[in-house]
Amino acid sequence: QVQHVQSGAEVKKPGASVKVSCKASGYPFNTYTMHWVRQAPGEGLEWMGWINAGQGKTKYSQKFQGRVTITRDTSASTAYMELTSLRSEDTAVYYCARGVRGGPFDSWGQGTLVTVSS
Amino acid sequence: DIQMTQSPSSLSAFVGDSVTITCRASQSIGSFLNWYQHKPGKAPKLLIYDASTLQSGVPSRFSGSGSGTDFTLTISSLQPEDFATYYCQQSYSTLFTFGPGTKVDIK
Repeated sequence: QVQHVQSGAEVKKPGASVKVSCKASGYPFNTYTMHWVRQAPGEGLEWMGWINAGQGKTKYSQKFQGRVTITRDTSASTAYMELTSLRSEDTAVYYCARGVRGGPFDSWGQGTLVTVSS
Repeated sequence: DIQMTQSPSSLSAFVGDSVTITCRASQSIGSFLNWYQHKPGKAPKLLIYDASTLQSGVPSRFSGSGSGTDFTLTISSLQPEDFATYYCQQSYSTLFTFGPGTKVDIK
């Protein structure tokens, strides 16, 4: 079955970087897009960006442009999201989600809690 | 970027009630509108895509309608497992955006 397994929780200091992984299984990884979405405590869902897993092309929310990089390793069917210059406001649960037909996100990872604290 | 708004921001309802949530886009998005259900500690779940198409496995008490800028999600006969936060999302632009969410809780 389609599944996305994310890496474990992280605790980072302000100014550091974090890289979260998302391993896909149960489908041809190269033929879909992978998105990253986060939810800060008490806040709603916030879309960060996506990667075309086959071509490697990316697009980012203007809010995160310059701080976020999404990559993929097709041989490992894994997508990565790296966020730099972390601040306390980046404390959130980060999700990967598969995009279908260029639109809806039909399968999500379990989420990765990233805590930014001095 | 396309901005999404939702109303109400929260609502309380009884089991068995019918509830309707509204979503509005800042510009016309055709039918490129999706709805998600999100429960605490769980991953969001796709309920409806393309404004009115029910995702496989989603109960038929969920329905969606609308096009252009105005959309609705209706849950008929609310069940205990439906208490959650609901988000709309536009996929018209490749800069995807979510609405702020509507929390549905038990009255």
